[in-house]
Amino acid sequence: AQKITQTQPGMFVQEKEAVTLDCTYDTSDQSYGLFWYKQPSSGEMIFLIYQGSYDEQNATEGRYSLNFQKARKSANLVISASQLGDSAMYFCAMREGVSGGSNYKLTFGKGTLLTVNP
Amino acid sequence: GAVVSQHPSWVICKSGTSVKIECRSLDFQATTMFWYRQFPKQSLMLMATSNEGSKATYEQGVEKDKFLINHASLTLSTLTVTSAHPEDSSFYICSAPPQPQHFGDGTRLSIL
Repeated sequence: AQKITQTQPGMFVQEKEAVTLDCTYDTSDQSYGLFWYKQPSSGEMIFLIYQGSYDEQNATEGRYSLNFQKARKSANLVISASQLGDSAMYFCAMREGVSGGSNYKLTFGKGTLLTVNP
Repeated sequence: GAVVSQHPSWVICKSGTSVKIECRSLDFQATTMFWYRQFPKQSLMLMATSNEGSKATYEQGVEKDKFLINHASLTLSTLTVTSAHPEDSSFYICSAPPQPQHFGDGTRLSIL
């Protein structure tokens, strides 16, 4: 079974509107972390936002917020006021278990290609 | 600026040659580095974990003899694709935990 599921291969949004990118995860660990990355066509991985499994508040970082619903095992990324420069591939990722050494490795979803239209 | 420097950014070479990719941590020590591979329009897949001073740990299905990993110092990890073939063409990217933003910029490898 996939550990990270991103069901939207592609999404379109109008400039200045908000968009939600879906991510569900599967883990039996109590301690885990969820990440969102942006990958433009140039290839680099840009870290956007992080949510720890024990964090009670949803993470926010500027125009990015993470809608964390633990019982549903979902960690959707919300981008507010979309900009043309937001057009890129977006990956949800998970780190399982306690922190330290090789446990920091990430499992990535298949990604969602976001296109922002002017 | 980038805290993980990855070189080269892209490389084109003939089938059968070996290619070395370097990842350096610029202002911190990295005892562990992860190497990922990404085929076009696909996700990042972890290939191996390099550990300074010990052998690398490879994920299931990754050929150890094909992808040689060396973690020579606390700031340098290298991935060597030996006797590369067209099917090895891919995007390779490293990361240095624990900080999630510590990714290299990636290497596009094309084998002709």
